[in-house]
Amino acid sequence: EVQLVESGGGLEQPGGSLRLSCAASGFTFSSDAMSWVRQAPGKGLEWVSVITGNGGSTYYADSVEGRFTISRDNSKNTLYLQMNSLRADDTAIYYCAKGLGSNWLTFDYWGQGTLVTVSS
Amino acid sequence: EIVLTQSPATLSLSPGERATLSCRASQSVSNYLAWYQQKPGQAPRLLIHSASNRATGIPARFSGSGSGTDFSLHISSLEPEDFAVYYCQQRYNWPLTFGGGTKVEIK
Repeated sequence: EVQLVESGGGLEQPGGSLRLSCAASGFTFSSDAMSWVRQAPGKGLEWVSVITGNGGSTYYADSVEGRFTISRDNSKNTLYLQMNSLRADDTAIYYCAKGLGSNWLTFDYWGQGTLVTVSS
Repeated sequence: EIVLTQSPATLSLSPGERATLSCRASQSVSNYLAWYQQKPGQAPRLLIHSASNRATGIPARFSGSGSGTDFSLHISSLEPEDFAVYYCQQRYNWPLTFGGGTKVEIK
């Protein structure tokens, strides 16, 4: 059974940093691209970033480019999102999501999310 | 950026009725479109990928159609568990984008 468990969310001040983690199990982690998708309170879904299975390629939404860094440790089956220079509009639930094989930009499994709140 | 416009924003229907949800893209996305369902307090769930392919374990009452700029999600006969918010998502171009969602509520 595929499981994705996010952690690392919490309350942070504007300008601060957080690192999110997503522990994966139940599939061959290194074979699949992984993404972060966020959802502001009461709002819709916003794609944040994606990393290929071997970690060789990464892509970002313009809203986080230069501030967030996606990475993965395939030996630990873990995905990360380093979030720097946090802003109030980064407040959201952050989901990690698994890519659907070769259809790697479609998300077939999602974690339950971790809440990030940016406020002074 | 490709903008996905979903309509209607809210669809009020009774169990057993047929639902048709629309997703229109600001430019062609070929068939690179997916549909997700999200219930309150839960993560999204993949329903349809590549415009018309049901994801693993998704009931046959869910179907997708369309290509280019106009897409539809059909639910042939609404079950109580189908009342939720539905999102479309394109993977044709960067950045990946989602529609604003359609809420299917009980009439």
